[in-house]
Order: sequence, then C-alpha cells, then structure tokens
Amino acid sequence: GAVVSQHPSWVICKSGTSVKIECRSLDFQATTMFWYRQFPKQSLMLMATSNEGSKATYEQGVEKDKFLINHASLTLSTLTVTSAHPEDSSFYICSAGILGQGHQPQHFGDGTRLSIL
Amino acid sequence: QKEVEQNSGPLSVPEGAIASLNCTYSDRGSQSFFWYRQYSGKSPELIMFIYSNGDKEDGRFTAQLNKASQYVSLLIRDSQPSDSATYLCAVNYNQGGKLIFGQGTELSVKP
Repeated sequence: GAVVSQHPSWVICKSGTSVKIECRSLDFQATTMFWYRQFPKQSLMLMATSNEGSKATYEQGVEKDKFLINHASLTLSTLTVTSAHPEDSSFYICSAGILGQGHQPQHFGDGTRLSIL
Repeated sequence: QKEVEQNSGPLSVPEGAIASLNCTYSDRGSQSFFWYRQYSGKSPELIMFIYSNGDKEDGRFTAQLNKASQYVSLLIRDSQPSDSATYLCAVNYNQGGKLIFGQGTELSVKP
C-alpha cells in the first residue's frame, strides 16, 4: 500500500525554537497533504490542508503565521512550528491523498511527537 | 458545523466475541466513510472504508453504512486482545479529501 514517511519522529527542544517536520509520500504523487494535531486522549484535529503549488488552507483557530506549511513538490510537504512554546507540545501527524479521489483513503505518516521545554 | 459522533467507551468485550463500534454523522452530503485503528502513541492505520449503503466485509471486519440514518458501524468478529485500540470513525464530505474525525472509541478485548 501507499507509504507516507514523516520525519522526525520525536523532537524535544527549548521554548522559542522553530521546528520543521517533513512529510513525504514515497510511492505516489500526493496533490494534497493534511496536517493534524492530536493532544492526549483526544481525536485528530485538522490544522490545515496543503495543495502542491498553492497556499495552504488553515482551519479556523489555527495561526497561519505560527504554523508555516510548504508543499513545494508532489512528494513533500513541511510544517514549521515557529517560536514553539510548551502549549504547542503535541503529536503532529500528516496524511497524503490525491485530489479528486475523495473516496480513496488518506495515508498517514507515523507522526511526530513534539515536546517543548 | 459538520460533526462525527462516537461513544468514547471504553468498550470491553471478551476474546472471541463480536465488537460493535458505532458512528453517526451530521452532514447528509457526506460521501465516504473510514474506520481507522490507533494504538497508543501511534498514528492511525486504515481498517476499512465504505461509500455505498450496505455491508462491506474484509476478513474479520465488516463495515455497515446507512445513509438514511446517517449511521456507520464497524463489526469485529472473533475479537483478539491485539484488537485493543482506539477506533476512529472519519467522514469525507467532498472530493477534496478533507476528513472529519470522531472522538474515537476505546476497545478493550479481554483474554
């Protein structure tokens, strides 16, 4: 099946640091990638939808200047958490899909656990 | 606001029994429905998806969809302790692929 690689899997850093997370589709071209955040004991919350070659669409309440998303190619999207603070500590998960194939499932990366000290 | 509702559980069943997981959704325009399994500390993995009314079977898993009632369910036959996880229902209401997730149902299968 389709494989989505996410890196790094775990990040621990000091408050104020910017952190970049990469999401790659390894065996298919992903026109659309999604970024989710999951706090303990809660479900996945969609942060933004990233389409290759265009600006990301952010969900209500998500600060686009804090969570920078770049989708420069059909196989790579990046999420940068700028000036991270302890409240940004969470499990960040990306998924990838193909635009127009809404019946087809999204494929998830393994997630990145971000801990801000 | 589009919503997906699940019982948070925990749902406890004995090994070998049938586990029944339920999900309702608010938007009648929803087109595709997905069940994901998530182990603690891991990302979700796809179990099944369905987009036509009726049943869809894959091994020990059966997904059931009733669009008139806005209801989708997942049955797990011959439940095993390794099935213990949180099961997430997700709904895609347009071709853009955006998924709305339920809060998940925690399933515990007791040996």
